[in-house]
Order: sequence, then C-alpha cells, then structure tokens
Amino acid sequence: RKEVEQDPGPFNVPEGATVAFNCTYSNSASQSFFWYRQDCRKEPKLLMSVYSSGNEDGRFTAQLNRASQYISLLIRDSKLSDSATYLCVVNAAGTYKYIFGTGTRLKVLA
Amino acid sequence: EAGVAQSPRYKIIEKRQSVAFWCNPISGHATLYWYQQILGQGPKLLIQFQNNGVVDDSQLPKDRFSAERLKGVDSTLKIQPAKLEDSAVYLCASSLVGERDEQYFGPGTRLTVT
Repeated sequence: RKEVEQDPGPFNVPEGATVAFNCTYSNSASQSFFWYRQDCRKEPKLLMSVYSSGNEDGRFTAQLNRASQYISLLIRDSKLSDSATYLCVVNAAGTYKYIFGTGTRLKVLA
Repeated sequence: EAGVAQSPRYKIIEKRQSVAFWCNPISGHATLYWYQQILGQGPKLLIQFQNNGVVDDSQLPKDRFSAERLKGVDSTLKIQPAKLEDSAVYLCASSLVGERDEQYFGPGTRLTVT
C-alpha cells in the first residue's frame, strides 16, 4: 500500500459545481496534513493546512478523518481558475519528511 | 519577499553526462528540500537539509546523485552520470523549520536526458 494515495482523476466538473477529493494515508501516527495546488508546468503552492477540527477558507473546506485515515478537500462553486492538480501531503510521524500523493487533476468546464 | 530561486530553468544533456542544479532558499529558512517530480507523479523527496546538516537522504540514489548545502544557505544537487530515467523536474523548496511549516517551492529545473 502506498503511503499516500489519491485518485489521479481527471475530475471534469461544470462551473458552479461542488467537487470533493479524498486522500488516504497509511501511517496512523502521521501528524501534519496539507493540500497543495499545482498548476500545469508550475511549482506546487500551499492551498491549506488540514487541522483535526477541519479548516475552511472561502469556497474550500478541508477535513481530517483519523479513524479512517483520510483527508478530504471540498470545493464549492467551482471556478474555471480552480482547474489544477491538487496534491495531498502528509508528514511522516516523528520526522520533518513530507510525503506527496500523486495528485488529483481537476478540470472545471465552462 | 524574494522567493526560492533555482537555476538553470531548463537543461538538456545526453546520458552519462553530468549536470548540476543550484538553489537559493528564502532568507532565514533553515530547512531545504530537493524533490524529483516525474511527469504525472507527485514530488518525491530526494534529500532534506536542516541548516547544513542532512536530515533525510533515504531516497537519494547515492551512486549517481549528490547534494550539499554550504554554510546552511545555498544548495547544489548533482547528477553524475545521468540516465534516461532522470528526466524530470527538480524542485527545491524551503521552510522555516518544522513539520507544520509551509514549504515554499522554487520554479524548478526541467531536465531532459537524451
């Protein structure tokens, strides 16, 4: 089993739709979780951190489910500019090592 | 605030040649990372420095890859000799210190090995 797993997609959704991605992780001792966004041929950039209590930033909501070992990202009212690859990042417990998922590709269609 | 700088942006070499990449992190960031990102995959950590000491290099192919971070600031990553499967984007990132700190990425160096 991979340490961090994501559905690669692509998820093709119309503008205004709500879309959700999940990311599973294998190490139950993992402590830090993040979502990064990567545009085509660009570097990854932090979208949001994922806290135990959840985290909301405008149209974006991130949740952590420790019991089932996954994190989720919900995007409401999708915009064309949301089209990108969303990378799930998990910190390996007890280290400063970050493990990236393969990313989920989102295409928002006009 | 200046971001993470990397050079060159693009490099094309033949297999068995050598290549070096340079990274200048954000001022004051103690932790520096080198990642390899193959097309269609997420970034894979090659090596991580805390100041000028190596924290993790477990996924660095040490028979051909080497990296150093002189004086805890700039870093270089070298490949010698290159193989076709080394074709990828090499990303440098930095963060303040710890595991909850945001990583800031440079624009990357796109390496093509022919």
